Amino acid sequence: RKEVEQDPGPFNVPEGATVAFNCTYSNSASQSFFWYRQDCRKEPKLLMSVYSSGNEDGRFTAQLNRASQYISLLIRDSKLSDSATYLCVVHTGRRALTFGSGTRLQVQP
Amino acid sequence: NAGVTQTPKFRVLKTGQSMTLLCAQDMNHEYMYWYRQDPGMGLRLIHYSVGEGTTAKGEVPDGYNVSRLKKQNFLLGLESAAPSQTSVYFCASSYRRLQGAGYNEQFFGPGTRLTVL
Repeated sequence: RKEVEQDPGPFNVPEGATVAFNCTYSNSASQSFFWYRQDCRKEPKLLMSVYSSGNEDGRFTAQLNRASQYISLLIRDSKLSDSATYLCVVHTGRRALTFGSGTRLQVQP
Repeated sequence: NAGVTQTPKFRVLKTGQSMTLLCAQDMNHEYMYWYRQDPGMGLRLIHYSVGEGTTAKGEVPDGYNVSRLKKQNFLLGLESAAPSQTSVYFCASSYRRLQGAGYNEQFFGPGTRLTVL
């Protein structure tokens, strides 16, 4: 089983739609959680950290469910510019992060 | 402030050739990392460094060597390239994680696209 699993998609949604991605992780001792965004043929960039109580940044909301070992990302009012691959990232207590393989989002006009 | 830079951006090698990828950061970060990204596999950690003069193996270290002689530079070497090393290589850096604190954001370079024939 992969340490971090994501549905690869693609998720094709119209502009203005709400879309949600889930990510599951296998190590119950995982301590820190993040969503990174990666545009086609570009480097990953931090979108937001995920806190235990859930957190929001504009149109983006992240949730953590430790009991079920998953994190989620909700995007409201999707824009064309949201089209990208979203990487779920987990810190398991070792020195480095573990990246999921990503979920591709395509927002259509 | 250039952030994290990588050279070269593209390279084509023949099997058995050697090369070095250079990563440089100007953010005074203590930690540096080398990842490879393959389709459907996500980013996999090759080697990392928590400070000048120190390196450690990541998830997929075989066939690669690294050096961190200066704090701002992290070099990735391929001694004898193989077609399985065809990939996109990303370097990243971050601040040192403080005891009891959360993990710090990693800043990535633009990547090196390597093809081994």
